[in-house]
Amino acid sequence: AQSVTQPDIHITVSEGASLELRCNYSYGATPYLFWYVQSPGQGLQLLLKYFSGDTLVQGIKGFEAEFKRSQSSFNLRKPSVHWSDAAEYFCAVGLYSGAGSYQLTFGKGTKLSVIP
Amino acid sequence: NAGVTQTPKFRILKIGQSMTLQCTQDMNHNYMYWYRQDPGMGLKLIYYSVGAGITDKGEVPNGYNVSRSTTEDFPLRLELAAPSQTSVYFCASSYERGPRYQETQYFGPGTRLLVL
Repeated sequence: AQSVTQPDIHITVSEGASLELRCNYSYGATPYLFWYVQSPGQGLQLLLKYFSGDTLVQGIKGFEAEFKRSQSSFNLRKPSVHWSDAAEYFCAVGLYSGAGSYQLTFGKGTKLSVIP
Repeated sequence: NAGVTQTPKFRILKIGQSMTLQCTQDMNHNYMYWYRQDPGMGLKLIYYSVGAGITDKGEVPNGYNVSRSTTEDFPLRLELAAPSQTSVYFCASSYERGPRYQETQYFGPGTRLLVL
């Protein structure tokens, strides 16, 4: 079965520092990959997505992610974190099943705290 | 354009009570979804709908029912509330479903449910 692993439950960074959030997936074929952000008390907002083509994907709010097939990873990066980036971040994988249905599987999330 | 709206925002239920979580979208999306989010976990799909009158089970459907009489509305029904159903419930919608349509799911703000 497909799975998504976000190894870091909680990360703390200083404002202005760079950020990398890790995401690994388990699946034989190329998956469709997403990063969502959830601010406290809010729903999930799509940051970026990868379907095909260029493996470096640009998203909103200055985020980017790189798909690395050899490492089964889709890590999220930002060169300079702002205090408003404090939130929980979810990686998700979209896959078609053998029966043709399509499902999104979410990782458990990484909570980001930002120190002023 | 309000997007995806959910009511109520918060509810406390006693064991055995029933309630309906409301979800409405004004984007004319065909596909709608219900997820639950438990602490430290990712989102789990409860039910989804591909259009008015058509629904299907997701990963964790037990204890829930849905209906889709209109394109806009997708209510989730809990018939006999149990403590295991304490969670945050998110409704989402998308125009199409699956990567070939570059699917993006739009999420509501969530309903926090506590069953005591």
